Amino acid sequence: DARVTQTPRHKVTEMGQEVTMRCQPILGHNTVFWYRQTMMQGLELLAYFRNRAPLDDSGMPKDRFSAEMPDATLATLKIQPSEPRDSAVYFCASGHSPETQYFGPGTRLLVL
Amino acid sequence: AQSVTQPDIHITVSEGASLELRCNYSYGATPYLFWYVQSPGQGLQLLLKYFSGDTLVQGIKGFEAEFKRSQSSFNLRKPSVHWSDAAEYFCAVRYNNDMRFGAGTRLTVKP
Repeated sequence: DARVTQTPRHKVTEMGQEVTMRCQPILGHNTVFWYRQTMMQGLELLAYFRNRAPLDDSGMPKDRFSAEMPDATLATLKIQPSEPRDSAVYFCASGHSPETQYFGPGTRLLVL
Repeated sequence: AQSVTQPDIHITVSEGASLELRCNYSYGATPYLFWYVQSPGQGLQLLLKYFSGDTLVQGIKGFEAEFKRSQSSFNLRKPSVHWSDAAEYFCAVRYNNDMRFGAGTRLTVKP
């Protein structure tokens, strides 16, 4: 049963530290999304890749966030430096098209 | 402004009762419409989607949704709720590259 995997599942860090979240999309999927979920803002789209190229990252704070796909089996989301307001659950999703997305279990980030 | 609204933050129904979760959108044209379910500590699972054609869409787990263009609505329904349906439900819309989710409706199922 193919699934999107995300690591780590939980991360606690201190303000100012770099955080790297990883996502392994389902093999063969050519679209990858990063979302952030918080109680206040709900689910927000941060970035969207197709065939490893970023198509839309307008939802991502550019000064501290970066998203990449070094290869077809790995997507990364980095925060440097991290701030307490970045505390959230970060979801990765992949699909053959934007209309069908399979979500990973999420990375729960707490920045102290 | 483009938006997705789920008017009900929390709904409680008895097991076996029918369910309707509301979703309204505000877009210039008909977007693609989705319903997702999220269990605690889990990611989102797609229940069903509407792109075009028949306005009554069947999904997994016995759910269905009806698209009503005149009301800009895409309400989710289930005729008989099971205890395992307790979760958070998200309506989502996609228009061009813009994907937006509603705030979610938490469903509690009473025995």
